[in-house]
Amino acid sequence: EVQLVESGGGPVQPGGSRRLSCVASDFTFSHFWMTWVRQSPGKGLEWVANINQAGGEANYADSVKGRFTISRDNTKSSLFLEMNSLRAEDTAVYYCGRLQKAAHIDLWGQGTLVTVS
Amino acid sequence: SHELTQPPSVSVSPGQTARITCSGDALPQKFAYWYQQRSGQAPVLVIFEGYKRPSGIPERFSGSASGTVATLTIAGAQVEDEGDYYCYTTRSGSNSGVFGGGTKLTVL
Repeated sequence: EVQLVESGGGPVQPGGSRRLSCVASDFTFSHFWMTWVRQSPGKGLEWVANINQAGGEANYADSVKGRFTISRDNTKSSLFLEMNSLRAEDTAVYYCGRLQKAAHIDLWGQGTLVTVS
Repeated sequence: SHELTQPPSVSVSPGQTARITCSGDALPQKFAYWYQQRSGQAPVLVIFEGYKRPSGIPERFSGSASGTVATLTIAGAQVEDEGDYYCYTTRSGSNSGVFGGGTKLTVL
């Protein structure tokens, strides 16, 4: 089944770090840009970061720039989000997504909750 | 603040047409995409590249655009269409993305 499965969420103290992972199944992971999107409790969707197929280009939202790092391992069909200097406002469900034509998400994971408190 | 502006809520009766707008300066140059998010679930793409429907999305969902406004239309809305709808686009001059604030659709 074509799917994305996130892991790594959980509680973390302010100022702490967390690494999220997303494993892709049943599609050629290395062919696609990938992205992270988050959703704070009761709030809307917020684009966080994306990365190109080879991992050489990454883009970040201003709210996470300098604190978060997106990366990937194509040999393991895996996407990562390294989150440092976490703040209460980073509390959210984090979704990984496959980008079609480097533009829109056509496949979403189920999300993983990070709670900064 | 959001670079894409949506109404917070839209309410229709079953069988009526629901229209959700998304306003943004980038939209004349960039495609709008629309996502449906039911409570407690991950978003689902319902319209891409302005007006195209992914396989499995009912024909009652359609998209259009005029100038700085993109519109998602649900013709003959059904109770199962309730949820939050988000427009999305890519920013001019970069590969970053932006979502609208979301619109809660109520069908009852």
